[in-house]
Amino acid sequence: QKEVEQNSGPLSVPEGAIASLNCTYSDRGSQSFFWYRQYSGKSPELIMFIYSNGDKEDGRFTAQLNKASQYVSLLIRDSQPSDSATYLCAVKRGGADGLTFGKGTHLIIQP
Amino acid sequence: DVKVTQSSRYLVKRTGEKVFLECVQDMDHENMFWYRQDPGLGLRLIYFSYDVKMKEKGDIPEGYSVSREKKERFSLILESASTNQTSMYLCASSRTFGSEKLFFGSGTQLSVL
Repeated sequence: QKEVEQNSGPLSVPEGAIASLNCTYSDRGSQSFFWYRQYSGKSPELIMFIYSNGDKEDGRFTAQLNKASQYVSLLIRDSQPSDSATYLCAVKRGGADGLTFGKGTHLIIQP
Repeated sequence: DVKVTQSSRYLVKRTGEKVFLECVQDMDHENMFWYRQDPGLGLRLIYFSYDVKMKEKGDIPEGYSVSREKKERFSLILESASTNQTSMYLCASSRTFGSEKLFFGSGTQLSVL
C-alpha cells in the first residue's frame, strides 16, 4: 500500500520564523521525494526534490530526508506571508509509476 | 515556459453522460498524467502514459479510460459519469522517464449532477 502522510494543519507560523513541514511514507522502496506548493485555486508547482539521505538547500528552503525513519521534511527559513499555501509531499517508487501525493499541509504565515 | 492546457476550467454534466477532458502540452514531453483532487483526499493518480498509444493505470482507474493518439495530447474519458466523479481534474506532464518535475495544467472542475 502506497501511503504518504502529512499533518493537514493549518500550521500557523509568525513572519520571519522557520516553518517546519513533515511527511512520512510507508513504502521502503520509495526512491525520490518531492515538495510541491499549491496556492488556493491554483495548480501545484514543484519547489524541492531530494533523492539521498541528508539535507538539500535551495535559497530559503531546505529538504531533509531520512530513509531509515521513512520521513522527509521541508524547512522554510525567514517565512514570508507569500509562503502561505498548501504544501504537498510526493513520493515516487522505483520503476514506471506516477507520484503518490500526501493530502497536504496548509501553512499560514502570520504578518 | 512549459504550458499544459486543459480545455475547460469548469464543466457541468449529467449522470450517465460520456465526458471527455482534454489536455495538451507544448514542450514535447514524453510523460503525461491525470490526477483528481478532492478535499480531504488530496491528489490521486488516475492514469498515466509514457508514450503515444501507451497507458498505465494509476491508483483509482475505475470508471475512467484514457487516450493518447498524439504525443502532445492526453484525454481522460468518463464513460458514464456519476456524481462521485465530481472533482477537480488535473493534467500534468514531465520531460522524460524518471523525471518527476511535473508541470500541471490549471485544472478542470467537473460537476456531475
